[in-house]
Amino acid sequence: QKEVEQDPGPLSVPEGAIVSLNCTYSNSAFQYFMWYRQYSRKGPELLMYTYSSGNKEDGRFTAQVDKSSKYISLFIRDSQPSDSATYLCAMTGGTGGFKTIFGAGTRLFVKA
Amino acid sequence: DTAVSQTPKYLVTQMGNDKSIKCEQNLGHDTMYWYKQDSKKFLKIMFSYNNKELIINETVPNRFSPKSPDKAHLNLHINSLELGDSAVYFCATSSRGSAGNTIYFGEGSWLTVV
Repeated sequence: QKEVEQDPGPLSVPEGAIVSLNCTYSNSAFQYFMWYRQYSRKGPELLMYTYSSGNKEDGRFTAQVDKSSKYISLFIRDSQPSDSATYLCAMTGGTGGFKTIFGAGTRLFVKA
Repeated sequence: DTAVSQTPKYLVTQMGNDKSIKCEQNLGHDTMYWYKQDSKKFLKIMFSYNNKELIINETVPNRFSPKSPDKAHLNLHINSLELGDSAVYFCATSSRGSAGNTIYFGEGSWLTVV
């Protein structure tokens, strides 16, 4: 079993839809949970990070972490064609934290 | 001014050749990485250096040799290239004190071995 599982998609939605992206993980030592966005032919860039359980909102993006279920989500409201990208979840432990584990990434297409 | 820059961006080479990818960062971070992203977008760490010292060395063939001449540079040299080495290689950095060890990636180097 991989430490982090993420459905690679692709996920195709119409403009304006609410998008839900998810990851599950197996290592209960993970404390920091991140979402990276990667456009085609570019490097991943940090979108949001959350510490431990709870919700975090930033504009149209909401990150949720449920440590009891080892499940994290990223919601995108009012999705735009410019949101079309690959979204990678990532997580790391609280001590040292040098090793960050990435999910496989979900390819999202938002159709105009 | 690019924070993490790597060269070359595209590289096509023949099997058996030796090639290098260079990386430079101007963020002042103390940790640098090399990641490999395969055709399925799976991003996997290869090496990590902290203050020029190797701290993570994943199961990577010894044909791959990283070198960090100083804190701002981490180069990757690959000997005897194989078809399976074709991938995108990302240089990245982080600051040890940053929350969650936020990682900043370069634009990637697309390596194709023919």
